[in-house]
Amino acid sequence: AQKITQTQPGMFVQEKEAVTLDCTYDTSDQSYGLFWYKQPSSGEMIFLIYQGSYDEQNATEGRYSLNFQKARKSANLVISASQLGDSAMYFCAMREGAHYGGSQGNLIFGKGTKLSVKP
Amino acid sequence: NAGVTQTPKFRVLKTGQSMTLLCAQDMNHEYMYWYRQDPGMGLRLIHYSVGEGTTAKGEVPDGYNVSRLKKQNFLLGLESAAPSQTSVYFCASSLGLYNEQFFGPGTRLTVL
Repeated sequence: AQKITQTQPGMFVQEKEAVTLDCTYDTSDQSYGLFWYKQPSSGEMIFLIYQGSYDEQNATEGRYSLNFQKARKSANLVISASQLGDSAMYFCAMREGAHYGGSQGNLIFGKGTKLSVKP
Repeated sequence: NAGVTQTPKFRVLKTGQSMTLLCAQDMNHEYMYWYRQDPGMGLRLIHYSVGEGTTAKGEVPDGYNVSRLKKQNFLLGLESAAPSQTSVYFCASSLGLYNEQFFGPGTRLTVL
């Protein structure tokens, strides 16, 4: 089973409008972290925002906010006031807690959502 | 600070050839990772290191080896390249287990 699911392969949004990119995750850990990265056409991976599983408030970073619903295991990215430069691939990723003999904090990525901002 | 750098940026290999990808970071990070990105697959972890002299397997380690002789460098080796290893390779580093990972610009590898 996929640990990170991004159900929207592609999305369009009008410039200056808000857009929500969906992400659901699957883990049995109590301690984990959720990340969003942006990958423009130039290829680099740019960190956007982080939410820890114990954080009570939703994370915000400028125009980015993370709508964290722990019981539903969802961590949707909200981009407010979209700009043309927001056109890119967006990846949701999860870092599970460290396990002896297993995960040491590596990220598990979803397949991404391609966002296109229309002028 | 240069952050995370990768060399080379592009490479074309023939089946059976070997090569080494170099990742360097100047942020004094303990953790370093190698991922590959294939179309429609997102990023998948190949190998990682939690400190100098340590390495461990990730999700897709077969056909690759790594070394972390110096804290700032993490090398990814392909001993006998196969067309299935055609991909974009990303190196990343993080200060600790619970910190965000910073990525290098990627290496586009084609195996003919």
